[in-house]
Amino acid sequence: EDQVTQSPEALRLQEGESSSLNCSYTVSGLRGLFWYRQDPGKGPEFLFTLYSAGEEKEKERLKATLTKKESFLHITAPKPEDSATYLCAVQGTGTASKLTFGTGTRLQVTL
Amino acid sequence: EAQVTQNPRYLITVTGKKLTVTCSQNMNHEYMSWYRQDPGLGLRQIYYSMNVEVTDKGDVPEGYKVSRKEKRNFPLILESPSPNQTSLYFCASKRQGVYEQYFGPGTRLTVT
Repeated sequence: EDQVTQSPEALRLQEGESSSLNCSYTVSGLRGLFWYRQDPGKGPEFLFTLYSAGEEKEKERLKATLTKKESFLHITAPKPEDSATYLCAVQGTGTASKLTFGTGTRLQVTL
Repeated sequence: EAQVTQNPRYLITVTGKKLTVTCSQNMNHEYMSWYRQDPGLGLRQIYYSMNVEVTDKGDVPEGYKVSRKEKRNFPLILESPSPNQTSLYFCASKRQGVYEQYFGPGTRLTVT
């Protein structure tokens, strides 16, 4: 059974204070690891897909990296508008496109 | 604008009263799916559909039904809702052959 564990559950940063969110996973054959952003009262918004160990993707202040056991979402010099819950999900082989999600990291960036 | 829409966005109902949550996408996606989100449990898949008239169970299908008569629509049916189905529900869709799924805005359901 695929499993995803995210840490920390919650993170409070000051504006400009860089940090990383962790996503540990076990999956029977990784098809893709996904990062989503979710704002309160809204649906998850797609950020990145990583397919294989060593891959990296960047978007503005966010950078996602992948190893064989975990993924990191690095946030460089965050701004208050980066405050959200960040969700990690995996899709394994033979799962008919089902995503297995972690419970998320709730990020708050203060001035 | 490419989007997934859900209706209603909020619903309060009573135990046993049948209800339907609609989901529609305008991207001609083959794959559609329903998830529920509960505190501490994350998003869990209820049902999915690979294409018209093709549906299958996800991880938590008990108490739910779906149908896929048209490509754009994928309604979620609760024939006899119970309080343990109080949750936040999301519909998602994607194109066949790609991995990224796009989510609707959510439906917050309360069953009393």
